[in-house]
Amino acid sequence: AQTVTQSQPEMSVQEAETVTLSCTYDTSESDYYLFWYKQPPSRQMILVIRQEAYKQQNATENRFSVNFQKAAKSFSLKISDSQLGDAAMYFCAYRSRVTGNQFYFGTGTSLTVIP
Amino acid sequence: DAMVIQNPRYQVTQFGKPVTLSCSQTLNHNVMYWYQQKSSQAPKLLFHYYDKDFNNEADTPDNFQSRRPNTSFCFLDIRSPGLGDAAMYLCATSRGAGTGGSGANVLTFGAGSRLTVL
Repeated sequence: AQTVTQSQPEMSVQEAETVTLSCTYDTSESDYYLFWYKQPPSRQMILVIRQEAYKQQNATENRFSVNFQKAAKSFSLKISDSQLGDAAMYFCAYRSRVTGNQFYFGTGTSLTVIP
Repeated sequence: DAMVIQNPRYQVTQFGKPVTLSCSQTLNHNVMYWYQQKSSQAPKLLFHYYDKDFNNEADTPDNFQSRRPNTSFCFLDIRSPGLGDAAMYLCATSRGAGTGGSGANVLTFGAGSRLTVL
């Protein structure tokens, strides 16, 4: 099974500043999806951003962007102009594009935004 | 809006008393998942259905069962809840692997059902 590693259990950022959350993964496949999910306290898990492995261009969604390094198997999330509402648990996830329906999650990074 | 609905949002049960959690979806996704999430931990996959095909994770206890009577509904049955089963249970849906189309392969979650075992 694929493994997803988030080495930062907790991170903090000053409001309006930029923060980067790290994620690495292990796979022998070449075609897959990577995701960042956000889970605010006591609220629903929602998709932040998605990257398709066959695309070289890094995905961006407004203030959220990724740095996808396929050879290094690294997938970091950059949050620009951090807002109080960004405070949440962030999970990195992997899914094969072709084989299997499982989504593999990292252990999460708890992000605190300091006013 | 298309969505994933879980009921109940909060469930309190006694040790050993069976409980059923439900999940419905209007996304017409062919894959439905049940995850267990304990405080500040990653969601742990219990099992998933691809259409009617049931896929159990190897380490899911026998105490946990699931039913999917049709495309829209999926149930999680906990036959004899123990204190260690207290958790948030998340239902999620997606299209099957290899399925094309915009938004394909994204996992969409419900709000979760929080189970307390007394």
